Amino acid sequence: KQEVTQIPAALSVPEGENLVLNCSFTDSAIYNLQWFRQDPGKGLTSLLLIQSSQREQTSGRLNASLDKSSGRSTLYIAASQPGDSATYLCAVRPSLQGAQKLVFGQGTRLTINP
Amino acid sequence: NAGVTQTPKFRILKIGQSMTLQCAQDMNHNYMYWYRQDPGMGLKLIYYSVGAGITDKGEVPNGYNVSRSTTEDFPLRLELAAPSQTSVYFCASRPNSNQPQHFGDGTRLSIL
Repeated sequence: KQEVTQIPAALSVPEGENLVLNCSFTDSAIYNLQWFRQDPGKGLTSLLLIQSSQREQTSGRLNASLDKSSGRSTLYIAASQPGDSATYLCAVRPSLQGAQKLVFGQGTRLTINP
Repeated sequence: NAGVTQTPKFRILKIGQSMTLQCAQDMNHNYMYWYRQDPGMGLKLIYYSVGAGITDKGEVPNGYNVSRSTTEDFPLRLELAAPSQTSVYFCASRPNSNQPQHFGDGTRLSIL
């Protein structure tokens, strides 16, 4: 059974720092991996999607990497800003035939202090 | 472009009552999903649909039902509300397998 773990559960850093959020998964048979942002009381916003054949994806100050063999992904945020404060979730889509679900981690709650 | 719209945003039910959570998307997406999110937990899939007239169970379908009569709408029905169904419910959609899911803002449901 695929399990996704995000450590740490919470992280607080000063504004301007570069930071890395971690995501690990137990089964390397995945179709893709997705990073989401969730603001309090809101739904999830997709940040980056990495296909299983890709190693990384970049969008602005965000860079996500994927190492399927080790079951790990990282989300790198450069020059953090208070507006980056949110909960960040990663989710994998198993590559089983017909698998439609995403398996989510519990999230990392990020606070950027001005 | 409204994206994925969920109604209501908040609801309190008594044990044993029934209700329907509405979800509509205006992006002509084939795939639609219902998730629940419990405090401190990741999202768990309740039901999903790959197109109008086709639905299937996810990880936690017990106590829920869905229908997909049109591409745009994917309502979730609770027939006999139980306290264990207190949660935040999210609807999502995507166009095809390689695209990210788009989420609504959620429905916060309390069963008392």
